[in-house]
Amino acid sequence: NAGVTQTPKFQVLKTGQSMTLQCAQDMNHNSMYWYRQDPGMGLRLIYYSASEGTTDKGEVPNGYNVSRLNKREFSLRLESAAPSQTSVYFCASTRTSGVQETQYFGPGTRLLVL
Amino acid sequence: QKEVEQDPGPLSVPEGAIVSLNCTYSNSAFQYFMWYRQYSRKGPELLMYTYSSGNKEDGRFTAQVDKSSKYISLFIRDSQPSDSATYLCAMNPFQGAQKLVFGQGTRLTINP
Repeated sequence: NAGVTQTPKFQVLKTGQSMTLQCAQDMNHNSMYWYRQDPGMGLRLIYYSASEGTTDKGEVPNGYNVSRLNKREFSLRLESAAPSQTSVYFCASTRTSGVQETQYFGPGTRLLVL
Repeated sequence: QKEVEQDPGPLSVPEGAIVSLNCTYSNSAFQYFMWYRQYSRKGPELLMYTYSSGNKEDGRFTAQVDKSSKYISLFIRDSQPSDSATYLCAMNPFQGAQKLVFGQGTRLTINP
């Protein structure tokens, strides 16, 4: 049981380049999320998917697109990277048990845009 | 003004001390309150989850919620060097992380 996995771990891009961040979970969770974490800003939601086949914008969606490929996989695409997108990106999935919701985070992708 | 305010620290205490970490918030609709622990270069992991007001204890960790003051706390008793991490508070008006709001995190170091 690997939990939430993310690839790549680290990436350097030039301004204007594109890339896709991959995320997969093996816990059979319906909901999946993409966050970015910047110093002094906490975690901010980019996009989420409440279930397979649905996606919705979060707090900071501009410059990003997502695909919920199947129940396991949720990818994040940067079409034309900008230096402002330099950040650490986390994917998460959620398990609900009664009142409690538990988010499980992946190890993160560190992205540097030059 | 941010919806959730958390002192970023850093906070450094000796091993065995009681640690108090706090967050304040402005949105009275928040009902679900969480504390996450994040080790360096790792993803956050859920530490404590509380619904509405009151206390919750789990081993050396106690979470307190005071909705009247819009203030939440995490206490760590008998702190250990392995507790050194960044602690993030998070809160939600309803179930579903779509509206989950995180504090910026407090960096804690426990010195042996």
